[in-house]
Amino acid sequence: NAGVTQTPKFRILKIGQSMTLQCTQDMNHNYMYWYRQDPGMGLKLIYYSVGAGITDKGEVPNGYNVSRSTTEDFPLRLELAAPSQTSVYFCASSYTDYNEQFFGPGTRLTVL
Amino acid sequence: GQQVMQIPQYQHVQEGEDFTTYCNSSTTLSNIQWYKQRPGGHPVFLIQLVKSGEVKKQKRLTFQFGEAKKNSSLHITATQTTDVGTYFCADGTSYGKLTFGQGTILTVHP
Repeated sequence: NAGVTQTPKFRILKIGQSMTLQCTQDMNHNYMYWYRQDPGMGLKLIYYSVGAGITDKGEVPNGYNVSRSTTEDFPLRLELAAPSQTSVYFCASSYTDYNEQFFGPGTRLTVL
Repeated sequence: GQQVMQIPQYQHVQEGEDFTTYCNSSTTLSNIQWYKQRPGGHPVFLIQLVKSGEVKKQKRLTFQFGEAKKNSSLHITATQTTDVGTYFCADGTSYGKLTFGQGTILTVHP
């Protein structure tokens, strides 16, 4: 099993550009999450999903959108990139809402 | 909303010394998960604590959950250079949503 994979690893965006961060898991987990981690800080939840077709906002959803059309994939969309979105983005998944979360390797995004 | 405070922010130790990080909340924690993040890496799950007063051990690591479920701690005995990284506590709430503390960055000098 590859676990949780994320692409791209690094990306530089200009202000106002858009992009999609990809996240895929092959563990048949129902629960998936997107976090952002700013330097020297803990992780903050952006969006989460409890299954295909079901998504909801986390603590810091503004400026982001998600979709969950399959169990495996949970892409995160940035529509109008802003410097405040410069961060490391982690996708995670878990089998139930009470289990450990498995994290992907992260995407390091810089908005200039 | 729920806030989880973690101290200290940084800890520098000599190899062989002990290390402790503390996680505190003003409200009752649902369950505590601890994660380790190596420099440049991603968080990796260490353990989950659920019951009041619970104590769990993993080799040199000891995890505790307070009696009032408002605090937790991670203690490492006789640190090694492989222990270097950031240790996070996180409170797990509905739908598995995690509220993370700010983390404690551990540096171990050989």
